[in-house]
Amino acid sequence: EVQLVQSGVEVKKPGESLTLSCEASGYRFDTYWIGWVRQMPGQGLEWMAIVDPSDSEAKYNPSFQGQVTISVDKSLNTAFLQWTHLRASDTGVYFCARTDDYGWDHWAQGTLVTVS
Amino acid sequence: DIQMTQSPSSLSASVGDRVTITCRASQAIGRDVAWYQQKPGKAPQRLIYGASSVQPGVPPRFSGSGSATEFTLTINSLQPEDFATYYCLQCRTYPALTFGGGTKVEI
Repeated sequence: EVQLVQSGVEVKKPGESLTLSCEASGYRFDTYWIGWVRQMPGQGLEWMAIVDPSDSEAKYNPSFQGQVTISVDKSLNTAFLQWTHLRASDTGVYFCARTDDYGWDHWAQGTLVTVS
Repeated sequence: DIQMTQSPSSLSASVGDRVTITCRASQAIGRDVAWYQQKPGKAPQRLIYGASSVQPGVPPRFSGSGSATEFTLTINSLQPEDFATYYCLQCRTYPALTFGGGTKVEI
C-alpha cells in the first residue's frame, strides 16, 4: 500500500527557517515525481514544487521559485521542503503528494504551519 | 502558463440533485484533466483522471467529460457525503500541474 507520511504541526516566528519532511513507503521511491502543494487558510490548492527522486531534477511554480527549496534523500525515501526565512504569509497547510501521468495520485495527511 | 478557470466557485444543492462543475483551460490540453474532492481538514482525493476515467473505488455517480478547453465533472444523485470542495487539475504540463480555483458544494 502506498503511504506518504508528513512531519507534524509547526509553529514558527517570522525569519526562522523550517524543513518539512514526507516519508514514502509502499512503492519504489525513485519511479514517481513527488511534490508539495500549499493551501492557505480558506483558500484553494497551489502546487509549489516537484522533484524527480531518481536524479533530483526539480521544478518550481514561478510563484514559489526562490522562496523554497525541494529535495529528496533516496536512502530515506523522503522528500523535503525547506524555507530559510519564513514570513507570516507562509502560514497554511502543506501537502506532500506523489504524481503519476494523470496528476497527483497519493497524498500525505498535510502539515499545518503557523508563522506568527 | 496554462490557467484553469473553474465555475461556479460555490453552489447550493440538495441530496438527490444532479450537480455539474465546469473547468475551462486557457489553451487546448487534450484530455489531460483530473478532478479532486477535498473535505474539510483532509487531503484531496482524485475522482477522475484523463478527463473521464473514474478512479478505482470512486462511486459511479461521479463522471467526467470534455476535451480541449472545456471539461465537466458531474455528480448524479448527490449524496450527503458529497458535500465538499472540488478542484480540477490540468496535467498537460506534467510534472508542473495547475489547479482550478475550486467549487464548494454546500447544502
